[in-house]
Amino acid sequence: SQELEQSPQSLIVQEGKNLTINCTSSKTLYGLYWYKQKYGEGLIFLMMLQKGGEEKSHEKITAKLDEKKQQSSLHITASQPSHAGIYLCGAAGGNNDMRFGAGTRLTVKP
Amino acid sequence: DSGVTQTPKHLITATGQRVTLRCSPRSGDLSVYWYQQSLDQGLQFLIQYYNGEERAKGNILERFSAQQFPDLHSELNLSSLELGDSALYFCASSFPLGGSVNNEQFFGPGTRLTVL
Repeated sequence: SQELEQSPQSLIVQEGKNLTINCTSSKTLYGLYWYKQKYGEGLIFLMMLQKGGEEKSHEKITAKLDEKKQQSSLHITASQPSHAGIYLCGAAGGNNDMRFGAGTRLTVKP
Repeated sequence: DSGVTQTPKHLITATGQRVTLRCSPRSGDLSVYWYQQSLDQGLQFLIQYYNGEERAKGNILERFSAQQFPDLHSELNLSSLELGDSALYFCASSFPLGGSVNNEQFFGPGTRLTVL
């Protein structure tokens, strides 16, 4: 089965700093999703990447899927307190199921 | 607001009991997914329904069952509840081509289940 590992598990940054979260898959990714979750709330879709080398941006968040399609990174530029939350990567598994990484908890200090 | 609704928001019950969680997908979405999120297991996929039929199964216990009705809303039934079933249960919906899971999913706000 496909496993997704996220790093780091948690991250504390000063407001205004850049940061990167990584998601590594044990198998080739055919669709990689990034979601954000505020504690105890539902997941908010950020981006989906499908093609190797693909890069997408939304406001100050950029996500990339590497050429070999086994790793994705999420980069936040000039972080703000509103970026705080749990970031999860997800991918479709071989049995048409959906798997998620354990998440990265981001804290942004004002 | 994702357009996916879940009821109830909170549920407190005792071990051995049975509960039903309800989910209404976004208008037009044919697929409904159920997930369980707990502190130790993270977000776990339970089951997917597409247009009324079961399409994919994940880590769903035999004590749990789900169905999707003709109006596309879905229910997740949890029986013989144990303390370890306490978790956030999310429903998500999408309009996938051919029923594939490989599409963006819109998540509901979740139902927090506490088993005492």
